[in-house]
Amino acid sequence: EDKVVQSPLSLVVHEGDTVTLNCSYEVTNFRSLLWYKQEKKAPTFLFMLTSSGIEKKSGRLSSILDKKELFSILNITATQTGDSAVYLCAPGTNRDDKIIFGKGTRLHILP
Amino acid sequence: NAGVTQTPKFQVLKTGQSMTLQCAQDMNHNSMYWYRQDPGMGLRLIYYSASEGTTDKGEVPNGYNVSRLNKREFSLRLESAAPSQTSVYFCASSVGSGRYEFFGPGTRLTVL
Repeated sequence: EDKVVQSPLSLVVHEGDTVTLNCSYEVTNFRSLLWYKQEKKAPTFLFMLTSSGIEKKSGRLSSILDKKELFSILNITATQTGDSAVYLCAPGTNRDDKIIFGKGTRLHILP
Repeated sequence: NAGVTQTPKFQVLKTGQSMTLQCAQDMNHNSMYWYRQDPGMGLRLIYYSASEGTTDKGEVPNGYNVSRLNKREFSLRLESAAPSQTSVYFCASSVGSGRYEFFGPGTRLTVL
């Protein structure tokens, strides 16, 4: 059975701190690992990772995948209050068109 | 491009009533999905459609039916609504095969 575990489930830090969010997964026929940010409405896409060890970066956010150890991390440096959101990790497979969402990490940034 | 659109945005039903949630995408995507999101449960897949004319069950299909009317539209029907179906419903679409999904704005459904 496919499994996705995100940690921590929630995190509270002060503005300017750096945070690392974790995602471990067990899926068959792995294709890609997706990260989404969800504020009050629909999830919005952040990154898609398909290769191990290659960091993807967008501003203060970066992410990396380890296909051998079956995990990914999402880093946010110099956090701002606008980074407060739920961050969702979702592996996708080659065997069908589904992606499987983790329960998310709820991040709250204090001013 | 509007992306993924959903109607209605909000709905209140009484137990036993039926309704259809509508979803349309204008990105020429092959795959479309319906999710529900409940507090503490994350996004759970109800049904998905890998292409026009095909549909498959997801994690929580009971109490729901779907129709992939054409490549653009994918509707979700509740035949006899129950309070346990109170949730936020998201439609999404993607190119397919584990590629990233674009989400609609969601429908907040309350069943009394």
